[in-house]
Amino acid sequence: GAVVSQHPSRVICKSGTSVKIECRSLDFQATTMFWYRQFPKQSLMLMATSNEGSKATYEQGVEKDKFLINHASLTLSTLTVTSAHPEDSSFYICSVNLAGGPQETQYFGPGTRLLVL
Amino acid sequence: EDQVTQSPEALRLQEGESSSLNCSYTVSGLRGLFWYRQDPGKGPEFLFTLYSAGEEKEKERLKATLTKKESFLHITAPKPEDSATYLCAVQVSGTYKYIFGTGTRLKVLA
Repeated sequence: GAVVSQHPSRVICKSGTSVKIECRSLDFQATTMFWYRQFPKQSLMLMATSNEGSKATYEQGVEKDKFLINHASLTLSTLTVTSAHPEDSSFYICSVNLAGGPQETQYFGPGTRLLVL
Repeated sequence: EDQVTQSPEALRLQEGESSSLNCSYTVSGLRGLFWYRQDPGKGPEFLFTLYSAGEEKEKERLKATLTKKESFLHITAPKPEDSATYLCAVQVSGTYKYIFGTGTRLKVLA
């Protein structure tokens, strides 16, 4: 499998500020990473697909100007929540796509808990 | 519309009491079906990938099976440490995207 880290694990911020979350692929180069959001007792909802060296692809209903994604290298993707509001409080999880061969499995990071006051 | 449904929503078992979790799917074309385990406050942990009807995978007390309409995760003689939320996801043909079910919250009592 793939080892994925996220930083920070938890963050508390004031309404109106911006928060950056990092997702790193530690043991292989990932051309594609995914960002998900998970509300309490709900499943994972895909927000966007992060592509190294090109613009991210956002899912319907996700504001690209609010959730800025940068995939500047093969091991790092960042999600910046701009002008955060309390309704942005959630659990944000990234994953990397381990492609090739018969399997295309996503391996997930440990998640980042965001609380906007 | 592509859809994934998991049942039951929650399940309580006594230690040693075997059971099965269900994942039903309706997709235009199945590229793969994935099972994950998620502990509270953590990211999903990969368990199995299934690609075609009739395929089975096993790992310790867990066994995953796949038909053309659904997948089962069988848990044999569960232990308290098997308590977690089990997520099912499908990957639709022609895309890397996963569609997740809402999960089954499993609690195994000692």
